[in-house]
Amino acid sequence: QVQLVESGGGLVKPGGSLRLSCAASGFTFSDYYMSWIRQAPGKGLEWVSYISSSGSTIYYADSVKGRFTISRDNAKNSLYLQMNSLRAEDTAVYYCARHSKYGSGSYYFDYWGQGTLVTVSS
Amino acid sequence: QSVLTQPPSVSGAPGQRVTISCTGSSSNIGAGYDVHWYQQLPGTAPKLLIYGNSNRPSGVPDRFSGSKSGTSASLAITGLQAEDEADYYCQSYDSSLSGLAVFGGGTQLTVL
Repeated sequence: QVQLVESGGGLVKPGGSLRLSCAASGFTFSDYYMSWIRQAPGKGLEWVSYISSSGSTIYYADSVKGRFTISRDNAKNSLYLQMNSLRAEDTAVYYCARHSKYGSGSYYFDYWGQGTLVTVSS
Repeated sequence: QSVLTQPPSVSGAPGQRVTISCTGSSSNIGAGYDVHWYQQLPGTAPKLLIYGNSNRPSGVPDRFSGSKSGTSASLAITGLQAEDEADYYCQSYDSSLSGLAVFGGGTQLTVL
C-alpha cells in the first residue's frame, strides 16, 4: 500500500533552517510528481512546492520562493524540502503528497503523508 | 483570502443531505479546470474524496458526490453519518496565479 512518511519537523528560531524528508513506499516513486502542502494551525491548506518525476521541473508558491528548495532522490524513494530564512508565518504542518493526473492536465493529490509540524518561534 | 470560496461551516442531522459549495471565477473553475475534493477528519491528514469533479476513488462511499457548473462546484453528502464530521476542501488550478494548485478555505461539517 502507498505510504508517505514525513520527518524533520521541529522548533526553529526565525531566520533558521530546517530540512524536511518524506519517505515513500508502496509505489514506483520515480514515476510520480510530488508536492509539499502546508497547513498553519487552525487554517486551511496551502500548496507550497512541486517537483516532477525526474526532478527537472520545479515550482514554488510565491510565499516561499527564494527561501525553500524542493528536491528528490529517486534511488532512495525520498522527497525533501530545504527551508531557509524561516519566518513565524511558516509555522505549519507540512504534508508531502503524491500527484495523479486527471484528463488532459488536471492534477490532484491522491495520497498524503501524516504531516510533520514546523514551528518557527524565538 | 482563497481564490476558491467555501462556506466556513455547514451542518445537518444524521440521515440528511448537505451540500458544500466551492465558488471560483473565470480563471479557475470557470475556465474549465477540474475540481477535486478532500476530507480532513479531526487530527488527521487530508484524504482524497472526489477527483475530476465527480469521480470517487475506490473505497469512498457513494453517499459522496461532486458536480461542477459554470464557475462553481459542489460536494453533496447524502445519508449523513456522525463519521462524516470533518473539514472539506475543494482544489483546482488558477491560470492567473503562478502556483500549481489552489485550495478553498475549507468547510467544517457538523453532524447535529
